Amino acid sequence: KQEVTQIPAALSVPEGENLVLNCSFTDSAIYNLQWFRQDPGKGLTSLLLIQSSQREQTSGRLNASLDKSSGRSTLYIAASQPGDSATYLCAGDTGRRALTFGSGTRLQVQP
Amino acid sequence: KAGVTQTPRYLIKTRGQQVTLSCSPISGHRSVSWYQQTPGQGLQFLFEYFSETQRNKGNFPGRFSGRQFSNSRSEMNVSTLELGDSALYLCASRRGSTEAFFGQGTRLTVV
Repeated sequence: KQEVTQIPAALSVPEGENLVLNCSFTDSAIYNLQWFRQDPGKGLTSLLLIQSSQREQTSGRLNASLDKSSGRSTLYIAASQPGDSATYLCAGDTGRRALTFGSGTRLQVQP
Repeated sequence: KAGVTQTPRYLIKTRGQQVTLSCSPISGHRSVSWYQQTPGQGLQFLFEYFSETQRNKGNFPGRFSGRQFSNSRSEMNVSTLELGDSALYLCASRRGSTEAFFGQGTRLTVV
């Protein structure tokens, strides 16, 4: 059974800092891994999808990597802004049509 | 291109009642999944539908059910509501096993 863990649970940084969010998973037979952002009381916004054949994906100031052998993914946010404040969730897909989510990292970027 | 649409956005129901939630996927997406999000349990998979067939089901009691129509729209139903069913219910649509896109969710409060 796939289990996904996110560390840290919460993070507060000053504006402009580069930061890394961590996601670990137990089942290396992962099909793809997806990072999401969730604002309070809202739905999930897809940020990046990394397929099992890929090592990383980039979108603007975001870069996500996937290392299946170590069971880890990281989301790198460059030059953080107050608008980046949200909860970030990673989710693993083992090809069974169900995403397994971590508990999220709550990020606050201080102006 | 319209995103995933969930209706209603908010619901208040009394214990023992039943409720039906609706999800309209992105045009062309035939896979629809449902998730429950609570502060204590995080995001948990309920079920997934493709071409009107349930392909996968999470670990929820039989009070939770769903269906999908020929136009890929999906509904989920919860019967005999309990206080613990209060949650944000999220729907996601996908084309194949690619990126999942979520709706804004339905906030269900059971009193």
